[in-house]
Amino acid sequence: GQNIDQPTEMTATEGAIVQINCTYQTSGFNGLFWYQQHAGEAPTFLSYNVLDGLEEKGRFSSFLSRSKGYSYLLLKELQMKDSASYLCAVKGAGNNRKLIWGLGTSLAVNP
Amino acid sequence: DVKVTQSSRYLVKRTGEKVFLECVQDMDHENMFWYRQDPGLGLRLIYFSYDVKMKEKGDIPEGYSVSREKKERFSLILESASTNQTSMYLCASSLGTLNPYEQYFGPGTRLTVT
Repeated sequence: GQNIDQPTEMTATEGAIVQINCTYQTSGFNGLFWYQQHAGEAPTFLSYNVLDGLEEKGRFSSFLSRSKGYSYLLLKELQMKDSASYLCAVKGAGNNRKLIWGLGTSLAVNP
Repeated sequence: DVKVTQSSRYLVKRTGEKVFLECVQDMDHENMFWYRQDPGLGLRLIYFSYDVKMKEKGDIPEGYSVSREKKERFSLILESASTNQTSMYLCASSLGTLNPYEQYFGPGTRLTVT
């Protein structure tokens, strides 16, 4: 079967660093996405990884290890506005337009 | 900027009614998707379309149908609404077919069926 696992909830302090993990088992792999979703709003795209390694984009970085079926999203210098749900999604191989979605990790940033 | 709009933010319908949810994107994207999102169940794909008049079932198509008569518009139809279809409905679009371009989401429609 196809499966994506993320922690359900995480808590962190303003100004700190937090790492949100995502492990996946899918039939084929053609990229992994991270999305941010604030309560009551639509998901917005954060990052995309298809090759192993770290992609940095401002305060946010995303890492991928294809051999381990593992990714993480790293958020630095946390701000209160980073309180949101973070969704991991994987695209399978081939001409498959669908994404396989994790259930999301709800991050609470406390002052 | 890509813009995906949905016809209503909130909708209340009665059991048995036929419900239409409309989605429009303005970036000439080939792919359009309809999801529902429920607490503890995450995003679940209902249907998607990769071209005008083309559609494919997602993971939970039962009780739903779709229509894509124009490239920019993708409609979700609940033929006979039931209370278990109360949910947040999200439309998304993406560019291209073979490349895994990111999906852009509309603001969502919170549907309540009473």
